[in-house]
Amino acid sequence: GQSLEQPSEVTAVEGAIVQINCTYQTSGFYGLSWYQQHDGGAPTFLSYNALDGLEETGRFSSFLSRSDSYGYLLLQELQMKDSASYFCAVSSNDYKLSFGAGTTVTVRA
Amino acid sequence: NAGVMQNPRHLVRRRGQEARLRCSPMKGHSHVYWYRQLPEEGLKFMVYLQKENIIDESGMPKERFSAEFPKEGPSILRIQQVVRGDSAAYFCASSPSPSGPSYNEQFFGPGTRLTVL
Repeated sequence: GQSLEQPSEVTAVEGAIVQINCTYQTSGFYGLSWYQQHDGGAPTFLSYNALDGLEETGRFSSFLSRSDSYGYLLLQELQMKDSASYFCAVSSNDYKLSFGAGTTVTVRA
Repeated sequence: NAGVMQNPRHLVRRRGQEARLRCSPMKGHSHVYWYRQLPEEGLKFMVYLQKENIIDESGMPKERFSAEFPKEGPSILRIQQVVRGDSAAYFCASSPSPSGPSYNEQFFGPGTRLTVL
C-alpha cells in the first residue's frame, strides 16, 4: 500500500515563502504530484516529478528525492489567492494516485 | 473545451435509497477515475475505467457500489442502499490516456456532495 505524510496546516504572510514537505512509503513508484484545492472544489494539478531534482513553474516549484522518499512544494511570493489545501500524491503505476491528507495554507495580509 | 462535468453537484438521500452520480470526462478523454473525499482528508481512489471496461476497482467497496463507463454517455457511480457513512464528496477525474512514468495529470470535476440523512 501507500502512505503519505504532510503537515496539516501552514500559515504565512503575503509575499513570504512556504515549503510543504511530503514523505511517502509506497510499493511501486512512478512519480510525485501536487494538487491544489480551494474550498473543497475541484483539485487542480500543479506539478509532477518523476526524477530527482527541482521543477519550477512560475511562483511554484516542486522537488523530489527518490532515494529519501521525500518531496516538497515551494510557494514563493505568497498571494492571498494561494490560501487553499495542497495535496501531494504518489503514482504507483500509470493511473492510480494515492493522496496525502492535505496541507491547509492560510495567507495573511 | 469544457472541463470534467459532474452532476448533480449536491445530492441528498435517505438511508436505504440509491444514489447515482454522473461524470462526463473532458472531450477526447477516454479514461475516468472516481475518488472519495471525507472532510479534512485526502482523496481516496475508488475505481478506474476506460470505455466499457473496469480496469481497477480495488478502492471501491465490494458491496453496494458499482461503476460503469458505457460506450455512449457519462460514467456512472452507483451506490445502492446508502448509509450515513457514504456521506462524502465524490470526485471524478479524466485523462487522455494512462500517462506512464514520465507524466501524470488527471483533470478533476467539481465533485458531487452526497449527504445521507
